[in-house]
Amino acid sequence: RKEVEQDPGPFNVPEGATVAFNCTYSNSASQSFFWYRQDCRKEPKLLMSVYSSGNEDGRFTAQLNRASQYISLLIRDSKLSDSATYLCVVRSDYKLSFGAGTTVTVRA
Amino acid sequence: GAVVSQHPSRVICKSGTSVKIECRSLDFQATTMFWYRQFPKQSLMLMATSNEGSKATYEQGVEKDKFLINHASLTLSTLTVTSAHPEDSSFYICSARASGDLLGQFFGPGTRLTVL
Repeated sequence: RKEVEQDPGPFNVPEGATVAFNCTYSNSASQSFFWYRQDCRKEPKLLMSVYSSGNEDGRFTAQLNRASQYISLLIRDSKLSDSATYLCVVRSDYKLSFGAGTTVTVRA
Repeated sequence: GAVVSQHPSRVICKSGTSVKIECRSLDFQATTMFWYRQFPKQSLMLMATSNEGSKATYEQGVEKDKFLINHASLTLSTLTVTSAHPEDSSFYICSARASGDLLGQFFGPGTRLTVL
């Protein structure tokens, strides 16, 4: 079983729409959780950390459910520039485990 | 701050040759550097963790004799893919963790290796 699993998508949404997706992780002892954004042929860049109480960063809202071991990301009012692959990342014992990513395409 | 560079950004080589990839922390000292590999439409997979001045720790299934890692200074780690073959073609990304920071990792821009 993969350590981090994500729906690969793609999610094709119009500008202004809301899009949400999840990931699940297998290690119940994982300590920290993140969403990274990766553009085509580029390195991943930290989008936001995910806290137990849920957190927002502008149009992005992240939720963590430790009991069910899943993490979600919601993007409101999608922009064309939000088109990217979103990587769910889990830290356990100072190691990062990456999901394969969920591809989001925002169309005009 | 916290900039990590990689060189080269792209390399195309013939099967059987060796390729060296450099990872540098430009504005901080990196006690620990990580090497990842990413195949198309797949997740980043950690290959090895290197600590300055000591031998790298390789993940299960990664051949240490094929992927030579040297972390000779606090700002430079190198990954050498020896006798590269087409199946080694991938996106290689390094990340660096600053001295005293147990959690943060800063990623390099990656190196795309194509072995013909």
